[in-house]
Amino acid sequence: GENVEQHPSTLSVQEGDSAVIKCTYSDSASNYFPWYKQELGKRPQLIIDIRSNVGEKKDQRIAVTLNKTAKHFSLHITETQPEDSAVYFCAATSGAGSYQLTFGKGTKLSVIP
Amino acid sequence: NAGVTQTPKFRILKIGQSMTLQCTQDMNHNYMYWYRQDPGMGLKLIYYSVGAGITDKGEVPNGYNVSRSTTEDFPLRLELAAPSQTSVYFCASRNSGNSYNEQFFGPGTRLTVL
Repeated sequence: GENVEQHPSTLSVQEGDSAVIKCTYSDSASNYFPWYKQELGKRPQLIIDIRSNVGEKKDQRIAVTLNKTAKHFSLHITETQPEDSAVYFCAATSGAGSYQLTFGKGTKLSVIP
Repeated sequence: NAGVTQTPKFRILKIGQSMTLQCTQDMNHNYMYWYRQDPGMGLKLIYYSVGAGITDKGEVPNGYNVSRSTTEDFPLRLELAAPSQTSVYFCASRNSGNSYNEQFFGPGTRLTVL
């Protein structure tokens, strides 16, 4: 089955700096890669996603890149703000019919004011 | 729309007790999922359903059971609770069709087994 590795597990940045979180996946059939943000005690919420036929997608300060050949994708957050502090999860579709998502273990991002 | 709702929010069980975690969505989504989230770990799929009357095992199904009698409801049953089932449980749903549709999560149920 699909295996998703996520690095780093923790990341501290100064406010205004950029943050990069990287994920690799194992199943070449995966075709959809969402990123979720989870604040303490809350539910995961989708912040950006990318399909396998796209190399990069940007939404204001957040961007995601995908390298299908190398089977890795990354989340880039620019001009970080304290409210960006949260746990971020990457995921990739898996299973027959791509009904399922396999999640990485998460990255705890701390933005220091 | 209320989205995905879960009850209860918190529960403490004794070893060997049973309980049902409730999940309801009002978005007419065919696909529903149950995940558990342990500290420092990602979300692991317990069971999923692609429609009423259809359920299938995920990565960590042991100790759990599900049913899907309606489109809206997807309850998760714990039989003979064990300390290893202490976790936060999230229910999620998404539209059917292609694989690009967003999964929407419920607020979670924090379960402690003592």
